[in-house]
Amino acid sequence: AQTVTQSQPEMSVQEAETVTLSCTYDTSESDYYLFWYKQPPSRQMILVIRQEAYKQQNATENRFSVNFQKAAKSFSLKISDSQLGDAAMYFCAYLSYNQGGKLIFGQGTELSVKP
Amino acid sequence: NAGVTQTPKFQVLKTGQSMTLQCAQDMNHEYMSWYRQDPGMGLRLIHYSVGAGITDQGEVPNGYNVSRSTTEDFPLRLLSAAPSQTSVYFCASSITGTKNQPQHFGDGTRLSIL
Repeated sequence: AQTVTQSQPEMSVQEAETVTLSCTYDTSESDYYLFWYKQPPSRQMILVIRQEAYKQQNATENRFSVNFQKAAKSFSLKISDSQLGDAAMYFCAYLSYNQGGKLIFGQGTELSVKP
Repeated sequence: NAGVTQTPKFQVLKTGQSMTLQCAQDMNHEYMSWYRQDPGMGLRLIHYSVGAGITDQGEVPNGYNVSRSTTEDFPLRLLSAAPSQTSVYFCASSITGTKNQPQHFGDGTRLSIL
């Protein structure tokens, strides 16, 4: 069975600085997808960024980028130029290639942004 | 376009009561799922469906039932509520065929069992 681990329950960053959230996963599959979701206090689950395992190039979405290390099974999220609106719970999630609809989530990292 | 709609948003039950959490999507998505979110544990999959008439168990299915009679609706039933089922429940849907498409989440239902 696949597992996802986020070892940082809480992180803090100064506004305009850069922060990296860690995520590791365990799987025996070679094809899969990885996601980062943001959950602000409103409780909405908002997709931040996605990565296909077969793509070597790291995904980027504006100020958000990932460092995908397939051999190490690591999928970290880097937030550049942090903004107050980035404060939220962030979840790393794994999706099996053959099991659409079954996301496996990490425990979450609560990010606070200091003005 | 409403997306994924969950009702109710909040509910308080007594132990032993039954209730149904409603979930509806208007995007013609075939995949639908129910998750529960507990502090320090992230979201865990309860049940999921890959299409009308097809359901399967997730990681934590005990105490919950689901059915999928239409593409749009995927209700979650608690037959006899227990305090351990106090949680925030999320319904999600995604398009079939392109498995890397993200799931669309509802706004969640906060359920308290006394």
